Amino acid sequence: EAQVTQNPRYLITVTGKKLTVTCSQNMNHEYMSWYRQDPGLGLRQIYYSMNVEVTDKGDVPEGYKVSRKEKRNFPLILESPSPNQTSLYFCASSPFHRTSDTQYFGPGTRLTVL
Amino acid sequence: DAKTTQPNSMESNEEEPVHLPCNHSTISGTDYIHWYRQLPSQGPEYVIHGLTSNVNNRMASLAIAEDRKSSTLILHRATLRDAAVYYCILRSADNFGNEKLTFGTGTRLTIIP
Repeated sequence: EAQVTQNPRYLITVTGKKLTVTCSQNMNHEYMSWYRQDPGLGLRQIYYSMNVEVTDKGDVPEGYKVSRKEKRNFPLILESPSPNQTSLYFCASSPFHRTSDTQYFGPGTRLTVL
Repeated sequence: DAKTTQPNSMESNEEEPVHLPCNHSTISGTDYIHWYRQLPSQGPEYVIHGLTSNVNNRMASLAIAEDRKSSTLILHRATLRDAAVYYCILRSADNFGNEKLTFGTGTRLTIIP
């Protein structure tokens, strides 16, 4: 089944403890992206990647890192999480980085930073 | 950045058509108009997209104004499963070919049985 998977689905952590949220897609997509969703703010893009080893900042990249060493994986790294990073996170992928492409979203990761 | 504006919420009766509007007055010529929806506790899912002409698929229709400054998502016969937040999104590339996603605030659609 074609899908985008994220792990973990739920995570509670403390301030400053490094964490990684994994994202994997099995559709051989070139383009991958991370979003965060907060009440009243909708979805905001954090980082995106047009292909392996190519990443760029989205609208809210501060406090996050990403890497794209393999085509299928696009982990989101929080080196020193803070409470304002408590949010619902979505990973997405699309075949290429054409503006006509459809994006496929993962199920989401709910992160709480205490 | 091109922005979109949508009503915060709408209600519709079950089995009736629903017209969800979106304004994007600063749209550029290369921007595609995408619609996604998000059901409770799920990630967003694609609904439909278009550039200039009206589009139809099995889920919905997309009507695009002639000046492209607005569009309307049409659900022809709403069911309870269509209750979701609907996002109108412009996809554009900047001068370096990088992708830029601009999300609207979303419209929360409630379907009344």
